[in-house]
Amino acid sequence: GENVEQHPSTLSVQEGDSAVIKCTYSDSASNYFPWYKQELGKRPQLIIDIRSNVGEKKDQRIAVTLNKTAKHFSLHITETQPEDSAVYFCALRDYKLSFGAGTTVTVRA
Amino acid sequence: DTGVSQNPRHKITKRGQNVTFRCDPISEHNRLYWYRQTLGQGPEFLTYFQNEAQLEKSRLLSDRFSAERPKGSFSTLEIQRTEQGDSAMYLCASSPQAGLDTEAFFGQGTRLTVV
Repeated sequence: GENVEQHPSTLSVQEGDSAVIKCTYSDSASNYFPWYKQELGKRPQLIIDIRSNVGEKKDQRIAVTLNKTAKHFSLHITETQPEDSAVYFCALRDYKLSFGAGTTVTVRA
Repeated sequence: DTGVSQNPRHKITKRGQNVTFRCDPISEHNRLYWYRQTLGQGPEFLTYFQNEAQLEKSRLLSDRFSAERPKGSFSTLEIQRTEQGDSAMYLCASSPQAGLDTEAFFGQGTRLTVV
C-alpha cells in the first residue's frame, strides 16, 4: 500500500492541553484523508475526514489540516479530555485505505 | 444492528488447522475490504471486493489465504494451515459505491490466536 508516515507514535498530554498528530504521504493521487480513533479492543471509528479540495476542517474540538503540495496532514485535538485517550490512525485513500502506524494518545487527568 | 458484522469475534486454533471468518457488510455497500491488524500497528490491507469481484490482493496475502464474496453480499476469509504468525485481528470494512471519498465502516473484527 501507500507509505504513510505518522508521528509521534506516543503522545501524553495534560487534560485541557492540545494534541497534534502529523502524517506525511507519498501518493499524490489520494484525495481523501480520514482519521480513525480506536479504543482498546474496539473497531476503528472515523472521527473526521478531509478531501483534497479543502485545506482545513473543524468539528468541535477536533480539526484537520491538509497541505497537498507538501503532502502532509495533521489532526489537532483541543481541550483534551480523558475520553480522548485512544490510538489514532491517519489514512489516505485511493480505492483502499492505507493507514499510518498509529499514535497512542494518553490524556493525564 | 445495521453495521458491519463479523463472526466469530474470537477464534483459537491449533497450528496447522484451517479457519474461516465471515463478514456481513452494510447491506447497500458494494465495496468490501479485509484488513489485518497486529498489536501496535495500523490495519494492513489484505484484499478488496467490488460486488463479487476480487479486484486486488496484497502481497501480504499468501497462498494459504483465500477470500470470497460469492453473491456480492457477505464475504469469507479462509486461512489454511495456520501458523503462529497469523495471530492477529482480522478486520472487515465496507463502503458504498459512490466515489472514493466515502467513509469506510469497520466491523468489530475477529481475533485469531494460533497456538
